[in-house]
Amino acid sequence: QVQLVQSGAEVKKPGSSVKVSCKASGGTFSNYGISWVRQAPGQGLEWMGGIIPMFGTPNYAQKFQGRVTITADESTSTAYMELSSLKSEDTAVYFCASSYDSRGYNWFDPWGQGTLVTVSS
Amino acid sequence: QSVLTQPPSVSGAPGQRVTISCTGSSSNIGAGYDVHWYQQLPGTAPKLLIYGNSNRPSGVPDRFSGSKSGTSASLAITGLQAEDEADYYCHSYGSSLSGSVFGTGTKVTVL
Repeated sequence: QVQLVQSGAEVKKPGSSVKVSCKASGGTFSNYGISWVRQAPGQGLEWMGGIIPMFGTPNYAQKFQGRVTITADESTSTAYMELSSLKSEDTAVYFCASSYDSRGYNWFDPWGQGTLVTVSS
Repeated sequence: QSVLTQPPSVSGAPGQRVTISCTGSSSNIGAGYDVHWYQQLPGTAPKLLIYGNSNRPSGVPDRFSGSKSGTSASLAITGLQAEDEADYYCHSYGSSLSGSVFGTGTKVTVL
């Protein structure tokens, strides 16, 4: 089964951008969707968007439209999530997760280990 | 913000049965979209527990079961064990938001 390994923790200033990576191994990367889900400290889960690498066109949650960019590099089996104009409220653990689609219809399995992004001046 | 409503907490003694409700609306669960459930232990990533309303992935004990009716879904844990102490989230698709929606989360405590 596919395994997802994410990049390390980040500390960013308000107004800047962060780019988190998610590398897949052990499965067919291109055919499956990769979604990004975040979890603020002590809070619930929030879907940000997804992509199927083979098709390349991402789908974004309305809340993050214009501020998030999700891409995928088939040559390295790596998906990326870039969030811009960071605010303190964006401090959260960001997870990537595998699915059968990029719109969030299907279940997420497996998940990456999570990447803590801290936004602080 | 979470679109699906869950009780903040449920508790039970070892061996007991507990249920967690997940209440949605006509634009998500009630529209016929499947419901999935995840277990999240402290400091770890969520783990798939139930998919497609009532299906268990390989390796998930049959103590966990899911159901769906109308605009709601439920997760039942029978024979509660200490290792079941965790946060649980339901998940579906929301047509009004054009994307995944999650429940508010429920903390299960084993007394």
